[in-house]
Amino acid sequence: NAGVTQTPKFRVLKTGQSMTLLCAQDMNHEYMYWYRQDPGMGLRLIHYSVGEGTTAKGEVPDGYNVSRLKKQNFLLGLESAAPSQTSVYFCASQPDRGGLKDTQYFGPGTRLTVL
Amino acid sequence: QKEVEQDPGPLSVPEGAIVSLNCTYSNSAFQYFMWYRQYSRKGPELLMYTYSSGNKEDGRFTAQVDKSSKYISLFIRDSQPSDSATYLCAMTGRRGGSNYKLTFGKGTLLTVNP
Repeated sequence: NAGVTQTPKFRVLKTGQSMTLLCAQDMNHEYMYWYRQDPGMGLRLIHYSVGEGTTAKGEVPDGYNVSRLKKQNFLLGLESAAPSQTSVYFCASQPDRGGLKDTQYFGPGTRLTVL
Repeated sequence: QKEVEQDPGPLSVPEGAIVSLNCTYSNSAFQYFMWYRQYSRKGPELLMYTYSSGNKEDGRFTAQVDKSSKYISLFIRDSQPSDSATYLCAMTGRRGGSNYKLTFGKGTLLTVNP
């Protein structure tokens, strides 16, 4: 299993440009999450999904949109990038098997710089 | 008051030292407690997972939960340079639907010097 993969690994955008970050998981997990990680701020939840076709807002959703058309994929979109969105973005997935080990498994991250 | 407080460090210790990492929390509904390890420029990986109060040991790592004090700890025995990483505590309450969301501490940066 590849686990959780993220595409791209690095990206530089200019202010106002748009882009989509792709997260894919091959573990048949129900839940998927998008976080951003900034120095001194820790991990902050942007959006999450509790199943195919569902999405919900997290702690810092403004400026981002998401879609989960397929169970294995979770897309994060930036419609008009701003310098404040410069960050490292992590995707995570989680199973729902009713066991104690049902916790989040993270991808390797996408480093985004907005100039 | 933030839901989860974690001393960001940085913490620097010599190889072989015993390391103690801690988090305090304010939400009494938290029941599931995790420690993640994050190497530089990598994603967090699950290290330890505990439910409710008590201790759990896995090799050189021991996770301890004291729900009465709302305090969790991670102990690393015989620390190695390969333990150098940021350690994040995480916790959640009753499980199901949106309750699967985790609340993270900001992480403690640990360096183990050879």
